Amino acid sequence: KQEVTQIPAALSVPEGENLVLNCSFTDSAIYNLQWFRQDPGKGLTSLLLIQSSQREQTSGRLNASLDKSSGRSTLYIAASQPGDSATYLCAVSETSGSRLTFGEGTQLTVNP
Amino acid sequence: DTAVSQTPKYLVTQMGNDKSIKCEQNLGHDTMYWYKQDSKKFLKIMFSYNNKELIINETVPNRFSPKSPDKAHLNLHINSLELGDSAVYFCASSLRSSNQPQHFGDGTRLSIL
Repeated sequence: KQEVTQIPAALSVPEGENLVLNCSFTDSAIYNLQWFRQDPGKGLTSLLLIQSSQREQTSGRLNASLDKSSGRSTLYIAASQPGDSATYLCAVSETSGSRLTFGEGTQLTVNP
Repeated sequence: DTAVSQTPKYLVTQMGNDKSIKCEQNLGHDTMYWYKQDSKKFLKIMFSYNNKELIINETVPNRFSPKSPDKAHLNLHINSLELGDSAVYFCASSLRSSNQPQHFGDGTRLSIL
């Protein structure tokens, strides 16, 4: 059974810092891995999707990497801003169109 | 326009009642999902439909019954609501044959009194 773990559970940084969020999964036979952002009281916004054959994806100040063999992914946020404050969720899919298995999230606070 | 829309956004009701949550997507996706986010913010799959057929049915009490009248809609009916059903329920959709993200609605916040 796939299990996804995210470390740390919470992170507070001053504005401008670069930071790394970690995600690990127990079964390396994944189809893809997604990083989401969830704002309080809101739904999930997809940030990046990495296919199992890819090593990384970038979007603006965000860079996600994937090491499938070791069951790890990282989300790197450059030059953090207060608007980046949210909960970041990692999720893996094992086949096309299948369920997402989520981690418990990292709650990020960026202080001005 | 919202790609995945759920109604209602908030639902407050008494224990023992029956309620429904509706979900619609206008993305042309063929697969839709229901997830439950509990009080600890942990998200877990409940059901998935592909082209109106049930393909994922997790260990969920049979008081929960999904219905998909067409590819663009997936509704969730809950009978005899219990206190433990209080949660946020998210609808999502995707295109099964593609390696594209799942898109989520804003959630329905269900509170049982």
